[in-house]
Amino acid sequence: EVQLVESGGVLVKPGGSLRLSCAVSGFTFSSYTMNWVRQAPGKGLEWVSSISSSSSYINYADSMKGRFTISRDNAKNSLYLQMNSLRAEDTAVYYCARGLESGYDGGGEYFDYWGQGTLVTVSS
Amino acid sequence: SYVLTQPPSVSVAPGQTARITCGGNNIGTKSVHWYQQKPGQAPVLVVYDDTARPSGIPERFSGSNSGNTATLTISRVEAGDEADFYCQVWDNSSDHPVFGGGTKLTVL
Repeated sequence: EVQLVESGGVLVKPGGSLRLSCAVSGFTFSSYTMNWVRQAPGKGLEWVSSISSSSSYINYADSMKGRFTISRDNAKNSLYLQMNSLRAEDTAVYYCARGLESGYDGGGEYFDYWGQGTLVTVSS
Repeated sequence: SYVLTQPPSVSVAPGQTARITCGGNNIGTKSVHWYQQKPGQAPVLVVYDDTARPSGIPERFSGSNSGNTATLTISRVEAGDEADFYCQVWDNSSDHPVFGGGTKLTVL
């Protein structure tokens, strides 16, 4: 059974830092691109960042560039998100999600498995 | 970046057919994926690559994509289908995924 379990979400003050983790089981972690997707309270889904299977390709949403760092440890089947200079607008549930390549050329990726999410609250 | 437009809400009676649209410039040239999210739960993939269904998703869920509109169709709607639905594509210009704003499906 595929499982993705996020952890690390807490209440943090503006300007603070936080590291989220996602522990994975049930599939060969080292073979898949992994992603972070967030959802602010009452709002829609927003892609945050992705990392390729070997960490050779990393991408971020513009609003996270320079503040967030995605990483992975394939030996530990774990995905991470280091979040610095946190702002109130970063308050959200953060999901880790497995990426799967579209069957169409140039179709990019979609997300076939998601964790249950971890809540990050940025407030003074 | 690429923009996807969804209606905020769609209402349908049980047993009827719900159609949720996702608009985008020439979206018919892109691969569209759909997610269902029930309150307090993580999103679940219900349709990928415009029309394909993951294992375990009922045949009542189907997708289409042409021109400037992609559509998720839910036949014989049940009370348990009530949820938020999101479309998603890949924005080749920015090389990252984009989500629509979401549509709340209400079963009357």
